[in-house]
Parts: sequence; C-alpha cells; structure tokens
Amino acid sequence: EIVMTQSPATLSVSPGERATLSCRASQSVSSNLAWYQQKPGQAPRLLIYDASTRATGIPARFSGSGSGTEFTLTISSLQSEDFAVYYCQQYNNWPVTFGQGTKVEIK
Amino acid sequence: QVQLVQSGAEVKKPGAAVKVSCKASGYTFSTYGISWVRQAPGQGPEWMGWISAYNGNTNYAQKLQGRLTMTTDTSTSTAYMELRSLRSDDTAVYYCARNSFLRPMDVWGKGTTVTVSS
Repeated sequence: EIVMTQSPATLSVSPGERATLSCRASQSVSSNLAWYQQKPGQAPRLLIYDASTRATGIPARFSGSGSGTEFTLTISSLQSEDFAVYYCQQYNNWPVTFGQGTKVEIK
Repeated sequence: QVQLVQSGAEVKKPGAAVKVSCKASGYTFSTYGISWVRQAPGQGPEWMGWISAYNGNTNYAQKLQGRLTMTTDTSTSTAYMELRSLRSDDTAVYYCARNSFLRPMDVWGKGTTVTVSS
C-alpha cells in the first residue's frame, strides 16, 4: 500500500497570503494525484487531479505541481472560504490512499 | 445537475449489518463507477472500495474483505454498500463518490452517518 504523507499538519496563514501544502508518496504515483478540500460537516470536494489540472469550477488561485513522489498544492492568495482541511490522494494503484490532511487555519 | 443522494443515518448494534444506498442522477450511471469512502470522527478519509456500474466488477480494501459487499442496480441508478459484523470502530460518515477505474472522485454524496453502539 502506498502511504501518503502530508505536511505540515496545520498551516496558519493570514487572508491574502500564499499557502503551500506538501504531499509525499512512499513510492512513485506518476501524476496520478488529486487534491481535495473539506470543510466541517461537508464531503470532500475535488480541487486538482492529475497533479496539476484544476477541476471544473475551481478558481485559478489553486494550483498543483509535482510528479513521482513529491507534490505541492499552492493557494496563491487565501480567501476566507479557503480555510479548510486539504487532502491528497493517489490513484495510481489499488488501494487508493489518502494523506492525513493539512488544516489551513486563519492566523 | 450531477448528484449522488445517500440514504439516511443509521444506528446499529455491534455484530449487525448496515446497507447504505447512493442514488445517482444527472449522468449515465453505467459509464462511471462508484467508490465508497468512510471517515471516522477527526480522521482522514479511508477508501473502502470501488464498483463498476458498467459490469459490477469490484475492488475492495483488503482490511474489509469478507465483511463488505458493493452492488449496483442500473435500473434505478443506485449503488449499495453493505458492511457486516459491525464493530465500534466502524462508526464513521460513509460517502459514495463517482469515479472511473483508478481516476479521481469528482462528485460526492453528502454522506451517511453510521453509528455502532451497544
């Protein structure tokens, strides 16, 4: 099973600032990586897939990069609605696996 | 619009079984699969398995093999997840999500809370 490790666990950011979240895979997942956003009481929402492609309706301030084992989600200028938990997920191999999440909180 | 509507919350005793439904609308059901993902309180998502709505092929998480069955009914565009021999650590919110074989989950249901308690 591929283990996904996210860092940091919590990121404190001021509105308008840039946030950079990291995700590492225990073995290569090529570009088969997605990022999801989850707010309290809601289902996860797909933000990025194939490591760098924004899902339908996702604002351009969200961008993804990386391949192989190292991936990054960048939020260029945090808006109030972006404070949430973010998960990475690999879908290169069964079983698909999620990271434990990075909580982006207001500084 | 594309949506997945899940059945309501369940409370079960240890050892019982639960069956959760997920009704799809707004797209051709058989052209995608359905994943089931659960999330225990305060934890990250855990993938449980995937079923093809085209041919019923399944892929289950190894830790749930033997207790988990996923099915689909194409006549009603509904997917089902049954988990048996429930334990307290099965308490979680259970989500269905649309995706193709080894692809991202692009549409999610709102979740079904399953509580296992004596």
